[in-house]
Amino acid sequence: RKEVEQDPGPFNVPEGATVAFNCTYSNSASQSFFWYRQDCRKEPKLLMSVYSSGNEDGRFTAQLNRASQYISLLIRDSKLSDSATYLCVVPPNSGYSTLTFGKGTMLLVSP
Amino acid sequence: NAGVTQTPKFQVLKTGQSMTLQCAQDMNHNSMYWYRQDPGMGLRLIYYSASEGTTDKGEVPNGYNVSRLNKREFSLRLESAAPSQTSVYFCASSEIDTPDEQYFGPGTRLTVT
Repeated sequence: RKEVEQDPGPFNVPEGATVAFNCTYSNSASQSFFWYRQDCRKEPKLLMSVYSSGNEDGRFTAQLNRASQYISLLIRDSKLSDSATYLCVVPPNSGYSTLTFGKGTMLLVSP
Repeated sequence: NAGVTQTPKFQVLKTGQSMTLQCAQDMNHNSMYWYRQDPGMGLRLIYYSASEGTTDKGEVPNGYNVSRLNKREFSLRLESAAPSQTSVYFCASSEIDTPDEQYFGPGTRLTVT
């Protein structure tokens, strides 16, 4: 299994819809995970962290499933401004004392 | 408070030319990073500096050198540019004890012809 895998999408949803995407990871020892958001032709920005108890921030909910080694991001009541690429981030398997970024899942919210 | 700044925003080089990408942060962070982002490849770490005075290779260091000039500044140098180095380059910084919370600059779009 690759370190981090994401469905590239795009996920096309109408405004107001609920959408969820998953990210699988290979390092079973990982304790913390993160979702970053990247708007088109912009830099990534930290969206939220994911710990064992999950995390909720307004319309966004991130959850961790350790048994199946995946994290999920749920967006409720989608807005046009949610259109972006969502990057899953996990600690690395080896070597570098920094992050491994997934390739991202693109979300397109339409009127 | 500008966060992380990068210069230049765009650059076109011919094969074999050299250039330095500049990065500065005003958040008093200890750790700084250079990534490249290519379509279908995601973000890949080139070099990082955990603290002032140290630098380490990341996943794709070949063809690049870095200098941690001081706590604020971390530059990336391409000594002899190749078309394979056409990419978007992002600099990032973080606190040394929270490396997962990285703050990115706006990026440099580099084309090597």
